[in-house]
Amino acid sequence: RKEVEQDPGPFNVPEGATVAFNCTYSNSASQSFFWYRQDCRKEPKLLMSVYSSGNEDGRFTAQLNRASQYISLLIRDSKLSDSATYLCVVNYNFNKFYFGSGTKLNVKP
Amino acid sequence: DAGITQSPRHKVTETGTPVTLRCHQTENHRYMYWYRQDPGHGLRLIHYSYGVKDTDKGEVSDGYSVSRSKTEDFLLTLESATSSQTSVYFCAISDGQGGYTFGSGTRLTVV
Repeated sequence: RKEVEQDPGPFNVPEGATVAFNCTYSNSASQSFFWYRQDCRKEPKLLMSVYSSGNEDGRFTAQLNRASQYISLLIRDSKLSDSATYLCVVNYNFNKFYFGSGTKLNVKP
Repeated sequence: DAGITQSPRHKVTETGTPVTLRCHQTENHRYMYWYRQDPGHGLRLIHYSYGVKDTDKGEVSDGYSVSRSKTEDFLLTLESATSSQTSVYFCAISDGQGGYTFGSGTRLTVV
């Protein structure tokens, strides 16, 4: 079983739509959680950390549900520039991070 | 703002040859990592380092070795390249406080 699992998508949404991704993790001792964004043929870049109380950064909201062992990312008012692959990342083992395979988002005009 | 650089950016090599990829950082971060990224598998950890001369294996370490003789440099060596090692290789650094910063990647093709 993979440490971190994501729906690979693609999610095809129109501009202005709200879209949500979920990610599940297997280890209940997981300590920290992140969402990364990866553009085609580029390196992953940190989008936001995910805190237990939930957190928001502009149009992006991240939530953590420890009881069900999943994290979510909500994107409101989608822009064409949001098209990318979103990687869920979990850490529970001495600064080693486990990556999901990513969810691809296509925002269309 | 390239606090982390990888070289080479692209390489084509023949099966059975040794290959070394270099990761260089200017951030003085303690932790450095090598990942490979393949379709359907996402990012998989090859080796990591938690200090000079302190390294450990990740989940896909077979066929790879690493060295870290200085804080700023982390080398990944494919001892005898195989076609299954054709991949995109990413180096990452961390100060241990938060997430990673990745290098731009090395596209390696083994023919």
